[in-house]
Amino acid sequence: DVKVTQSSRYLVKRTGEKVFLECVQDMDHENMFWYRQDPGLGLRLIYFSYDVKMKEKGDIPEGYSVSREKKERFSLILESASTNQTSMYLCASSKRTGWDRNEQFFGPGTRLTVL
Amino acid sequence: GIQVEQSPPDLILQEGANSTLRCNFSDSVNNLQWFHQNPWGQLINLFYIPSGTKQNGRLSATTVATERYSLLYISSSQTTDSGVYFCAVSNTGGFKTIFGAGTRLFVKA
Repeated sequence: DVKVTQSSRYLVKRTGEKVFLECVQDMDHENMFWYRQDPGLGLRLIYFSYDVKMKEKGDIPEGYSVSREKKERFSLILESASTNQTSMYLCASSKRTGWDRNEQFFGPGTRLTVL
Repeated sequence: GIQVEQSPPDLILQEGANSTLRCNFSDSVNNLQWFHQNPWGQLINLFYIPSGTKQNGRLSATTVATERYSLLYISSSQTTDSGVYFCAVSNTGGFKTIFGAGTRLFVKA
């Protein structure tokens, strides 16, 4: 069974704080993704990574950075949190090869509130 | 880029009823997934179905890739089926996955 875990279900931070969201998957997947989900805007891709130390910008990378030092872990970093980054953050992973490559599996999500 | 449209946007059912959710997409795809987002926000994989038909208990899905649509069938609905159902597609190696806006389902007891 694929398992994707995220470090926190709920997080409250202050404006200007540096925020780390951690995601870990246990199925040796090459690809990992960070999305945010907002009412009326759906799921939007922030960043993705297809290998260790590799990263690609998604549709809304501004204000975010990522780190992938190990295959199983993908971190999302908010360098200076702002109120407009209050959102639900979802991490996903998928494998790169096989008949079911690119089938994405999601973590439980982190509801971040920036005050 | 690919456009994904889901219908209906909202659906209210009596427990025990059947329903069909539709996903239309504007270009050919290599991957198509159906998800159920539960009230706690978790996205649960239902089907990975770029083409053909699959069944899992009371749920089944059909994708007709040549006609660019997919259908999700829910039979004998239960209150636990409530939530939002998303269709997601990609055609560029899977990195850029496009999600539909979802169908919000409420099943009344």
